[in-house]
Amino acid sequence: QVQLVQSGAEVKKPGSSVKVSCKASGGTFNSYAFNWVRQAPGQGLEWMGGIIPLFGTTKNAQKFQGRVTITADESTSTVYMELTSLTSEDTAVYYCARGQNYGDHVAPPFDHWGRGTLVTVSS
Amino acid sequence: QPVPTQPPSSSASPGESARLTCTLPSDINVGDYNIYWYQQKPGSPPRYLLYYHSDLDKGQGSGVPSRFSGSKDASANTGLLLISGLQSEDEADYYCMIWPSSSYVIFGGGTKLTVL
Repeated sequence: QVQLVQSGAEVKKPGSSVKVSCKASGGTFNSYAFNWVRQAPGQGLEWMGGIIPLFGTTKNAQKFQGRVTITADESTSTVYMELTSLTSEDTAVYYCARGQNYGDHVAPPFDHWGRGTLVTVSS
Repeated sequence: QPVPTQPPSSSASPGESARLTCTLPSDINVGDYNIYWYQQKPGSPPRYLLYYHSDLDKGQGSGVPSRFSGSKDASANTGLLLISGLQSEDEADYYCMIWPSSSYVIFGGGTKLTVL
């Protein structure tokens, strides 16, 4: 069955960067898109961006342009999300979610999700 | 960006039906979009439930019971998640999502459903 296993919780200082990983198994890695969705404490879901490993194509939400980098390593079926210039407002659970590859576009639905990685930004 | 609006909370009794709404901004037409629905319980990741475009174009997530269904109210520019035969286990947060362009997806703010 499809599994998305994410890296463990992180505590970061303001101004630093964090890199979260998501290892996929149980499916054909290159057939799908992979997305990052975050959820601040007590808040809703926020799409950050996605990648299509087959093409290396990435799409990022406008809010995170210049701060987020999403990459994929096909050899290990792992997707990474790096977020820079962290502030306390970046404290959230970060989810990896498998989406669809529609042409070379990242598309819903997001049918499988990782358990989430808590990133805490605190001085 | 066209952010869907969801009421913060809703409630219904066991065995009854729940009708959750996802209202699109007036400058986009609900008839043009798939509406995707997700369920999230405390401490768990979201779960994909279904999408609805029309009665001829809809899809159920894997293992999702048929008592979860989608619809639209074009007059209100709103997507609907209908849950029949409510059970206590349906108590959760529900999020709608749309894909307005090939460049991004966007979630509604979510509705907390309480099963009284």
